Formats: sequence, C-alpha cells, structure tokens
Amino acid sequence: GAGVSQSPRYKVAKRGQDVALRCDPISGHVSLFWYQQALGQGPEFLTYFQNEAQLDKSGLPSDRFFAERPEGSVSTLKIQRTQQEDSAVYLCASSFGSGRPPGELFFGEGSRLTVL
Amino acid sequence: KQEVTQIPAALSVPEGENLVLNCSFTDSAIYNLQWFRQDPGKGLTSLLLIQSSQREQTSGRLNASLDKSSGRSTLYIAASQPGDSATYLCAVDSGYALNFGKGTSLLVTP
Repeated sequence: GAGVSQSPRYKVAKRGQDVALRCDPISGHVSLFWYQQALGQGPEFLTYFQNEAQLDKSGLPSDRFFAERPEGSVSTLKIQRTQQEDSAVYLCASSFGSGRPPGELFFGEGSRLTVL
Repeated sequence: KQEVTQIPAALSVPEGENLVLNCSFTDSAIYNLQWFRQDPGKGLTSLLLIQSSQREQTSGRLNASLDKSSGRSTLYIAASQPGDSATYLCAVDSGYALNFGKGTSLLVTP
C-alpha cells in the first residue's frame, strides 16, 4: 500500500477485555516495529519483527502483551485482560531495510486505545 | 539505557520567526538521529535523518545538525509558518529501536 495502515484507529475497551490491533506495513518492508505512546510522552519501543521472526520483544510491558507477524507482512498486537494503564496510542512502523539500523522508518497513524 | 531530552517542552512564536529546537542524548554510540513531526491525533512524519558520520541535513526551511561527541542535535526552522505548528520529536537510533524524547510542542501564531 501507499503507507502504513493501522486499524482500528480508535478502540474503547472495558477493563479486563482482550483487544487486537492490526498493522499493514508498506508492501515489501522487511522490518516492523510496534511502539506505545502515552499522552504527552514520546513513543516507547515494544517489539521488532524482521519478516515473520520476532527478534526483540524486550519492550513489551507484561505477558499480557503479545505480537505476531505470521506471514511476514500484516502484524497484530494483542493485549489480554486490558488495564487502565494500557490506555495509549499504539504506533506501528515499517522499514525496507533489515540491518542494524534498518534505515528510515515510516509510521502509521496509530491505534488509540482507551480502557475504562 | 539511552536517554533523550528535548528542550523546550513547548514554544510559541509569531509567524516569520526563525527558531531552534534542542535535543540531547546520553550515549554517543548512535547510528543515526531522526527528527519527526507529529500532528494531533496523527502518526509520525519523518523530517530529517542524520547519519552518525554526518554533521547536518537540510530539507527546505529545515536544517538539523548533529554533534555526536557532545550528544546534541538541533532542528532549525527558518521563517516559521502557522502550518509548522505541531509536536517535534527527536529520536536516536542506537541499534534498531528508536529512543524518543518527549517532544517540543510548537505553536506558530499568525
């Protein structure tokens, strides 16, 4: 596609519900990142994929967070048993490169999660 | 862990002024530094990427400099316009995960 696409753009969940956030990276991009951005803060790294391989998940805040990219393109970030502190914008970014660093990142518009 | 600080946190200027946004980082072992723009409710748009071996990059009215040894970068915006109003984020790449500052919120008034 023309850019990184994320859905849903907005999600309201009751505390304890599970949510799934989707990211469609730019076609052909090897690297895919998830970031979490709390209100008034800069984005914080969550996890990194190179094709279908999850090479780094050190930023995931708890075992309630899970990400996958089974076919090396679309990725899903799943949050189980959501808590109020999970409220944030979840940003997905992709890059053509696969090295370290992977080059210029292109970000989606994010999925804003509000947990009540 | 790499710490990135941006000063000022917020800035309001009249249209036409030249302005400087500052970014500092604690670990000079970086691959590159990027400046992003974020509009309210939107994602991040890459403005400039400076490789660690470079001193500056320019794009239109924007100029970014990098002094890796002192852990500093500046974003210079010439002849500011109301359309420049946004949050500007500095991000340091020390591997493959970007470390972001909290951003500078810029308001350019007509």
